[in-house]
Amino acid sequence: KAGVTQTPRYLIKTRGQQVTLSCSPISGHRSVSWYQQTPGQGLQFLFEYFSETQRNKGNFPGRFSGRQFSNSRSEMNVSTLELGDSALYLCASSQEPGQTNSPLHFGNGTRLTVT
Amino acid sequence: GESVGLHLPTLSVQEGDNSIINCAYSNSASDYFIWYKQESGKGPQFIIDIRSNMDKRQGQRVTVLLNKTVKHLSLQIAATQPGDSAVYFCAENEGNNRLAFGKGNQVVVIP
Repeated sequence: KAGVTQTPRYLIKTRGQQVTLSCSPISGHRSVSWYQQTPGQGLQFLFEYFSETQRNKGNFPGRFSGRQFSNSRSEMNVSTLELGDSALYLCASSQEPGQTNSPLHFGNGTRLTVT
Repeated sequence: GESVGLHLPTLSVQEGDNSIINCAYSNSASDYFIWYKQESGKGPQFIIDIRSNMDKRQGQRVTVLLNKTVKHLSLQIAATQPGDSAVYFCAENEGNNRLAFGKGNQVVVIP
C-alpha cells in the first residue's frame, strides 16, 4: 500500500502570498489530519477532517484553512503568509476514527519557507 | 529529525545496547498513546501504540510501558542499531485524532 503522499515537497513563498498544500491519504483511510512542525514549537495540531467535515481545529489563526474531498484527499491553505509560517507541514491519515489501534500515519511533509 | 533544534534531550547509546526513552504526558483522561520515530528529512514514522487499559506492549525490538499513576510513558529499544538514530516522539490522543506531541528525544547510536 502506498503511504501518505504530500505535494509539493518544498515550497518558497514571499510574505503576503498564499499557498495550497496537498495530501493524498493511504488508500482506505478516511481521516486526514494536518500538523505544523517547527524547531521552536515542535509538532502542533492544525485540523482534522473526516468525511469532508472538519471535526477538530487547533489553535491557529483563520489564515490557516483546509478541506477534504470525497475521495478523502485533503488540501490546506495558508493566506497572507508571514515569516513565522515557515515550517514543515505534515499530513497524516488513519482509518475510521474510533477503531481500536488506528494510529496516524504521516507523510514526509511539505517544507514551506516564507521570505 | 525536523524538530531537532535547540535543547533537544539527547541519548547517546552504544550499538547493541538497549535504549530507554522517557516521556511524561499531561492529560490523565488520555486513553491512547503512540510512539513515533522521525529521521532527518522524513515525517514521523509509527513505531508502537498502547491503550490505557494496558501497562505494557511489545513489538519487534521495542516495548512501550505505561504508568498511568504518574502519567509516564517509556519506549525501550533492544539491541540498538545505527538505523535507530533518530528523534523519538511520544504522543497522546486527545480525541478525533488530535495528537499532542512531546518535544522529542534525539537518539544517537555510536557504532
